[in-house]
Amino acid sequence: AQSVTQPDIHITVSEGASLELRCNYSYGATPYLFWYVQSPGQGLQLLLKYFSGDTLVQGIKGFEAEFKRSQSSFNLRKPSVHWSDAAEYFCAVGEGSASKIIFGSGTRLSIRP
Amino acid sequence: GAVVSQHPSRVICKSGTSVKIECRSLDFQATTMFWYRQFPKKSLMLMATSNEGSKATYEQGVEKDKFLINHASLTLSTLTVTSAHPEDSSFYICSARDLLAGARNEQFFGPGTRLTVL
Repeated sequence: AQSVTQPDIHITVSEGASLELRCNYSYGATPYLFWYVQSPGQGLQLLLKYFSGDTLVQGIKGFEAEFKRSQSSFNLRKPSVHWSDAAEYFCAVGEGSASKIIFGSGTRLSIRP
Repeated sequence: GAVVSQHPSRVICKSGTSVKIECRSLDFQATTMFWYRQFPKKSLMLMATSNEGSKATYEQGVEKDKFLINHASLTLSTLTVTSAHPEDSSFYICSARDLLAGARNEQFFGPGTRLTVL
């Protein structure tokens, strides 16, 4: 069965520092991969997605992610974080024809002034 | 485009009553809608998949008689929590899959509904 692992529960980085959030997935075929962000008490906003093609995906708010098949990873990166980036980040994998999305457990990002 | 709304955003009810939550796709048609539940500081757990005009498919462990789902049109799905109890208090989020999305599985999420059962 497919699954998504986000090994970091909580990360704190200084404003202006670079960021990398880790995501590993387990899926038999080429996965559809997503990163979502959730602010407290809010719904989800799609940051970026990978379906096929170029393995480096650009998203909104200056985020990018790289699909690495050999490592079964889809890590999210940002070169310089802003205080407004503090939120919960979810990696997710789409399950083929059934259209389900399976979410990782999330990583909470805090920004140090 | 691709906006999904939920109503209400917050609801407080007494134990034993039923609560209906609406999920609407505002500017696209959604053959498939999904209902998730999120506990505090936890991830989203898929409860059920709702297809327009047919019965919902529930995930293992989700009581279909307690969480009634109706998907009567291409833009509206409802989740009714019947005989709600305090343990049903949670954040409920819906999502909708664009009819034109093909096999890409992209879903658009609503803002969520906070249910508190007293």
